[in-house]
Amino acid sequence: DGGITQSPKYLFRKEGQNVTLSCEQNLNHDAMYWYRQDPGQGLRLIYYSQIVNDFQKGDIAEGYSVSREKKESFPLTVTSAQKNPTAFYLCASSWAGQGFTEAFFGQGTRLTVV
Amino acid sequence: AQSVTQLDSQVPVFEEAPVELRCNYSSSVSVYLFWYVQYPNQGLQLLLKYLSGSTLVESINGFEAEFNKSQTSFHLRKPSVHISDTAEYFCAVSDPLTGGGNKLTFGTGTQLKVEL
Repeated sequence: DGGITQSPKYLFRKEGQNVTLSCEQNLNHDAMYWYRQDPGQGLRLIYYSQIVNDFQKGDIAEGYSVSREKKESFPLTVTSAQKNPTAFYLCASSWAGQGFTEAFFGQGTRLTVV
Repeated sequence: AQSVTQLDSQVPVFEEAPVELRCNYSSSVSVYLFWYVQYPNQGLQLLLKYLSGSTLVESINGFEAEFNKSQTSFHLRKPSVHISDTAEYFCAVSDPLTGGGNKLTFGTGTQLKVEL
């Protein structure tokens, strides 16, 4: 089945530790995205990538880092510099450029920092 | 930059009653518009989209939305809701003419709660 896989579904970390969230897609999409969701704030864009080995900051990139070494993978690292990392994180993918019609989302990772 | 406003954070409604979830966006020459639905602890699923053509778009489960360029709105409606429609609904916009790729700008969401 084609789709986007995020792992793990739930993640607990101690304050001050870096943590990496996985996102893999087999839709052959060029573009991938990371969003953060907080209650009452909707989804906010952290980073996005339209092509391998290239990515751009979104609206709330501070305290996060990404890599795009393979077309199908776009891992997100939440660093210790992120002041309030507890949130629901969603990964998405889409065709880029003229082919865009919609974004497809993974099932999300709920990160809790204690 | 684009912005999306969903005026109602929560909408309670009785089963089989009609519902309208409101969405307004900041104006632009050309936009793509979307409604996504999210069930608890899950990702977002596309409900319907407007890219071009007919201003009235429909989903397979009875929802519809109308693109109104003059009012910069894309309200979501359903004539008769079911308990299973209880979820959070997000309106989103993408501006295909900007250089920032096809990233979506989301509203803050509307929680639809259908009651018996």
